Amino acid sequence: GNSVTQMEGPVTLSEEAFLTINCTYTATGYPSLFWYVQYPGEGLQLLLKATKADDKGSNKGFEATYRKETTSFHLEKGSVQVSDSAVYFCALSDLGGGGNKLTFGTGTQLKVEL
Amino acid sequence: NAGVTQTPKFRVLKTGQSMTLLCAQDMNHEYMYWYRQDPGMGLRLIHYSVGEGTTAKGEVPDGYNVSRLKKQNFLLGLESAAPSQTSVYFCASSYYPGYLNNDIQYFGAGTRLSVL
Repeated sequence: GNSVTQMEGPVTLSEEAFLTINCTYTATGYPSLFWYVQYPGEGLQLLLKATKADDKGSNKGFEATYRKETTSFHLEKGSVQVSDSAVYFCALSDLGGGGNKLTFGTGTQLKVEL
Repeated sequence: NAGVTQTPKFRVLKTGQSMTLLCAQDMNHEYMYWYRQDPGMGLRLIHYSVGEGTTAKGEVPDGYNVSRLKKQNFLLGLESAAPSQTSVYFCASSYYPGYLNNDIQYFGAGTRLSVL
């Protein structure tokens, strides 16, 4: 079956530091890949997505590239801010069986300090 | 712009009690989902629906029932709550994923449930 593995947190960084959160996946077929973000006390919201190999998703300074050869979708940001503190989830979609089901990683908590 | 609205936001139940969680979306989405979020386990799909009047089991359906009588509403029921059902429950919705970006799911703010 499908699975998503992402690095455990929490990850604590100083403001303006470089961020990488690793994500690898196992899937049959060619899933779309997503990063969702959950701010404290809120639901998840889409951060970025990529639909095919070598696609790069980007939003709010975050980027991730769909690497089929390494089955990875690592999240990066060149300079984090305190406002980026949140939990980040990597996910893949499975359209099999008639549903649009997402398989999530366990989430990585990011704390950014001044 | 309400999006996906979940009620209630918090609830405490005793073992064996029943309750229904309501999810409402105003985006005319065909698909709706219920997830539970537990520490260290990410989100896991409980049940989902691909249209009014339809439901299907997800990864962890035991102990839950759902109904989708109206397109905009998706109800999650616990008939006899157990402590193992203590969790945060999220509802989500999406369009039929036939076109670019229709596979994006939109989430509610969650319901925090404690079963004592």
